[in-house]
Amino acid sequence: EAGVTQFPSHSVIEKGQTVTLRCDPISGHDNLYWYRRVMGKEIKFLLHFVKESKQDESGMPNNRFLAERTGGTYSTLKVQPAELEDSGVYFCASSPLRGGLYNEQFFGPGTRLTVL
Amino acid sequence: GQQLNQSPQSMFIQEGEDVSMNCTSSSIFNTWLWYKQDPGEGPVLLIALYKAGELTSNGRLTAQFGITRKDSFLNISASIPSDVGIYFCAGQIPNNAGNMLTFGGGTRLMVKP
Repeated sequence: EAGVTQFPSHSVIEKGQTVTLRCDPISGHDNLYWYRRVMGKEIKFLLHFVKESKQDESGMPNNRFLAERTGGTYSTLKVQPAELEDSGVYFCASSPLRGGLYNEQFFGPGTRLTVL
Repeated sequence: GQQLNQSPQSMFIQEGEDVSMNCTSSSIFNTWLWYKQDPGEGPVLLIALYKAGELTSNGRLTAQFGITRKDSFLNISASIPSDVGIYFCAGQIPNNAGNMLTFGGGTRLMVKP
């Protein structure tokens, strides 16, 4: 079974440009999460989709970030316009929609974004 | 917001040595998790802890969920070169809004053969 995939693996852009990151979750996983790790700090939650609906977007830094998950399959995270402080590694994670003690989140390899 | 303080930030040890790292929080979590990130990969779950006081082992790894639900530690015994990577603790409070994870800052482990 394929894991979570993310594209691109690396992106280098100039300040003011637009970048779109893509995440393909594990097939059948209704939960999709975006996280970000900036400058060697902790990994921080950005937002959570359940199918195509945004369940929690409390971690989104500002309105330059737009996440979508049309059709409830893959998701995109667009940064427009990019700023220097947006540099970091963006992780996507997915998990099945079920109850229980802990619904393990499976992480993708991340997209390393560098804004110059 | 909630914060997890993870220490140490980095460790450079000799192969065969034991390793210990821990996380503390000012908030209570219902679940504590330990992840490992290899270079170029995403975090992979090592151990999940669900009950205060719980001690769980996974091979050479042992982790405990603190009795106050505000801390956890991870021990690695007899380290080997492939233990190299970044270890993250994470806490979770399952709720209706979702199961977001709150991560510590990570412990970078380097093992000298």
